[in-house]
Amino acid sequence: QVQLQESGPGLVKPSETLSLTCTVSGGSISSYYWNWIRQPAGKGLEWIGRVYFSGSTNYNSSLKSRVTMSVDTSKNQFSLKLSSVTAADTAVYYCARGAVAHAMDVWGQGTTVTVSS
Amino acid sequence: DIQMTQSPSSLSASVGDRVTITCRASQGISNYLAWYQQKPGKVPKLLIYAASTLHSGVPSRFSGSGSGTDFTLTISSLQPEDVASYYCQKYNSAPITFGQGTRLEIK
Repeated sequence: QVQLQESGPGLVKPSETLSLTCTVSGGSISSYYWNWIRQPAGKGLEWIGRVYFSGSTNYNSSLKSRVTMSVDTSKNQFSLKLSSVTAADTAVYYCARGAVAHAMDVWGQGTTVTVSS
Repeated sequence: DIQMTQSPSSLSASVGDRVTITCRASQGISNYLAWYQQKPGKVPKLLIYAASTLHSGVPSRFSGSGSGTDFTLTISSLQPEDVASYYCQKYNSAPITFGQGTRLEIK
C-alpha cells in the first residue's frame, strides 16, 4: 500500500527557510494532490497547501507569501519550502495524499520542526 | 475562505453512549466533507469522506450525515479506543480548511 515519509531538518533558525520532502512509496505520485499540513503542539490542524502531480499548486492564503511547493515525479517526491520562519512555525509537519474522490486518505508519520536559534 | 466550525470543542461521555459532533460550513460545500480521528500522539486518520462514506477499515459504529452547510459525525456506541480529537474538513476546492477540533474523553 502507499506510504508517505517526511524528511528534513528538525531544527531551523529564525528567518531561515524550512525545507521538507515527502517520499511516496508503494504507488505512483501521479493523479493525486499532495498536501502539507501542520500542527503546533496542543493545537489543531492547519492546511499549508497542495501540489498536483502536474506541478500546479494551491496555498493557504495566510502563508502564501512564504510557501513554495514542488513535485519531482522521477523520484516520487514532493517538497515544501517555507521562508522567513519564526517560532510560530514550530509544529509537526505532515504530508498527505488527497483527492476529491476521497479526501486525505494516506498520511505520513509527521516530522517535528522547531524554529530556534 | 470557507470557515468550518465544530461543536462542541470538548465532550465527555460514557462507554456505550451515543455521541454526536457537529460541523458547520460558512458556505455550502455540497457533500465534500471529511472527518478525521487523531488519537493522542498519533497521526490523523480518515474516518469518513463525502459526508457519509466510511473509509476502509473504519468500524461501523462511526457514521456521518449532512449536506450543504451542516454535518454530523455520530458514534453509535462509544468505546474506550475512541478517545481522540476529531476534525472535520472541507476538501472540494482550495483552500482546504479544517474545523478547530473536538476532544472526546471517556467519563
